[in-house]
Amino acid sequence: NAGVTQTPKFRILKIGQSMTLQCTQDMNHNYMYWYRQDPGMGLKLIYYSVGAGITDKGEVPNGYNVSRSTTEDFPLRLELAAPSQTSVYFCASRNRQYRGPFNYGYTFGSGTRLTVV
Amino acid sequence: QQQVKQSPQSLIVQKGGISIINCAYENTAFDYFPWYQQFPGKGPALLIAIRPDVSEKKEGRFTISFNKSAKQFSLHIMDSQPGDSATYFCAAGEETSGSRLTFGEGTQLTVNP
Repeated sequence: NAGVTQTPKFRILKIGQSMTLQCTQDMNHNYMYWYRQDPGMGLKLIYYSVGAGITDKGEVPNGYNVSRSTTEDFPLRLELAAPSQTSVYFCASRNRQYRGPFNYGYTFGSGTRLTVV
Repeated sequence: QQQVKQSPQSLIVQKGGISIINCAYENTAFDYFPWYQQFPGKGPALLIAIRPDVSEKKEGRFTISFNKSAKQFSLHIMDSQPGDSATYFCAAGEETSGSRLTFGEGTQLTVNP
């Protein structure tokens, strides 16, 4: 059971380049999320999705785009990369139906460390 | 703006001691308060969680204390061990808003042997 898989693990981009961060989950979770983590800042929500074909902005969506064509995949697109997008990006998922104390919790991927130079 | 404030930013305790991390929130609609543990190079992992209808929840050495009127909650790690050294994040969420979680800034815990 792979859980949430993110690729690539590391990437260096030049200013103005574009890339897609891949995220896939095999748990049939309805809800998926993209967060970025900066030192001392916690995790900030970029975009989220409550099901295939449905996406919505989070707290820091500028400079990013997402799509959700399948339940399993939730790619994050960076257009015209900027140094301010240097960060560690985490994808997470959870099931819409929850029972018990831990079913509300997110399952996180291992992250993508992105540097824009 | 929905915020969750976490303190301290860093914490050093001796093995066997008690680690205490505090969080405060603003949005009274939050109905779920989890704590996540993160080791270097890894994604956060759910540690323990509480709902606002209880004031305390204990899971082994980890306890959440929740004060609804003060809009504060805290994580207590009893008998802290070097293996507990990690970054801890509190968070708060609301089921009706797509289960989005708002995270605190994180606390880097170091437990000295």
